[in-house]
Amino acid sequence: AQTVTQSQPEMSVQEAETVTLSCTYDTSENNYYLFWYKQPPSRQMILVIRQEAYKQQNATENRFSVNFQKAAKSFSLKISDSQLGDTAMYFCAFLLPGSQGNLIFGKGTKLSVKP
Amino acid sequence: NAGVTQTPKFRVLKTGQSMTLLCAQDMNHEYMYWYRQDPGMGLRLIHYSVGEGTTAKGEVPDGYNVSRLKKQNFLLGLESAAPSQTSVYFCASTGVLYEQYFGPGTRLTVT
Repeated sequence: AQTVTQSQPEMSVQEAETVTLSCTYDTSENNYYLFWYKQPPSRQMILVIRQEAYKQQNATENRFSVNFQKAAKSFSLKISDSQLGDTAMYFCAFLLPGSQGNLIFGKGTKLSVKP
Repeated sequence: NAGVTQTPKFRVLKTGQSMTLLCAQDMNHEYMYWYRQDPGMGLRLIHYSVGEGTTAKGEVPDGYNVSRLKKQNFLLGLESAAPSQTSVYFCASTGVLYEQYFGPGTRLTVT
């Protein structure tokens, strides 16, 4: 069975600085998808970034980028120029094609951006 | 488009009462999901549906039932609520590239 581990329950960063959130996963499959979701205090789950395992290039969305290390089964999220609005829970998630869209979530990292 | 909506947003039940949570999506998605979120546990899949008239069990299905009579709606039912079902419930539907779109959540308290 696939598992997703986020080893940092809480983190904090100063506004305008850079922070990296860790995620590791366990699978014997070669083709899969990885996601980072953001959950601000409003509770709404928002997709931040997506990575297809067959793509070697790391995904980037504005200030958000990932470091995807397939051999190490690592998928970290880097947030550059942190803003107060980045304060949220961040969830890493794993998906196998053909699993009928069943996402497997990590337990989350609570990120606080301090002014 | 409203995306994914959930009704109600909050509810308090007494042990043994029943209720139905409604999820609606206007994106013509085939796949829909119900999750529960508990502190320190992330999101766990309760039930899901791969199309109108079909449902399947997820990781934590006990105590819940679902129905998908119309493509745009996915209902989650609690027949006899228990305090262990106090949680935040999220509905989601899947679009292209397996991206899941989530509703705003329902906070349920069972006393």
